[in-house]
Amino acid sequence: NAGVTQTPKFQVLKTGQSMTLQCAQDMNHNSMYWYRQDPGMGLRLIYYSASEGTTDKGEVPNGYNVSRLNKREFSLRLESAAPSQTSVYFCASSEILGGTFSNQPQHFGDGTRLSIL
Amino acid sequence: QKEVEQNSGPLSVPEGAIASLNCTYSDRGSQSFFWYRQYSGKSPELIMFIYSNGDKEDGRFTAQLNKASQYVSLLIRDSQPSDSATYLCAVTNRGSSGSARQLTFGSGTQLTVLP
Repeated sequence: NAGVTQTPKFQVLKTGQSMTLQCAQDMNHNSMYWYRQDPGMGLRLIYYSASEGTTDKGEVPNGYNVSRLNKREFSLRLESAAPSQTSVYFCASSEILGGTFSNQPQHFGDGTRLSIL
Repeated sequence: QKEVEQNSGPLSVPEGAIASLNCTYSDRGSQSFFWYRQYSGKSPELIMFIYSNGDKEDGRFTAQLNKASQYVSLLIRDSQPSDSATYLCAVTNRGSSGSARQLTFGSGTQLTVLP
């Protein structure tokens, strides 16, 4: 049971390069999320997708784009990488069960460690 | 003001002692509260969640919630060296559409359990 799978696990880019981080989940969850984690700052939400076909900005969306390709996959793209985007990126998924509130925990992938020179 | 506040630590306790981790939050509309454990270089893993005021126990872990005081805590009884990690508090917030689909994380408390 893979859960949430992220690729690649490590990546080094030069400033200005672009790349896409991939995320796939096999738990049939409706909602998926992208976070970045910097030292001493906890996890900050970049973008999320509450359900297939929808995406919304989180706390720190600038410099990123996302695509919810299907229910399983949610990708994060850096169009022109900057050193400030050096971070560990985590993808997560969760279920939303009825009502207007999500009380379901999020399950995280192993992360992508991204360095931009 | 950060929406979710935690003492960054480090917090050190001797093996066998009770570790107490605290978290305060600013959004009175928050409905769900989660504690995640994160080992160095690893991803967060869920330990406990709590929705109602009071205590919730699961093995050596007890989560405590006081919505009036906007305060949630995690107690770890009989602490073990393997409990040494960073503990993240997370609180649901309303998304832009009005539904609570976002988690806001605190910056985490680093716990060290000394043998």
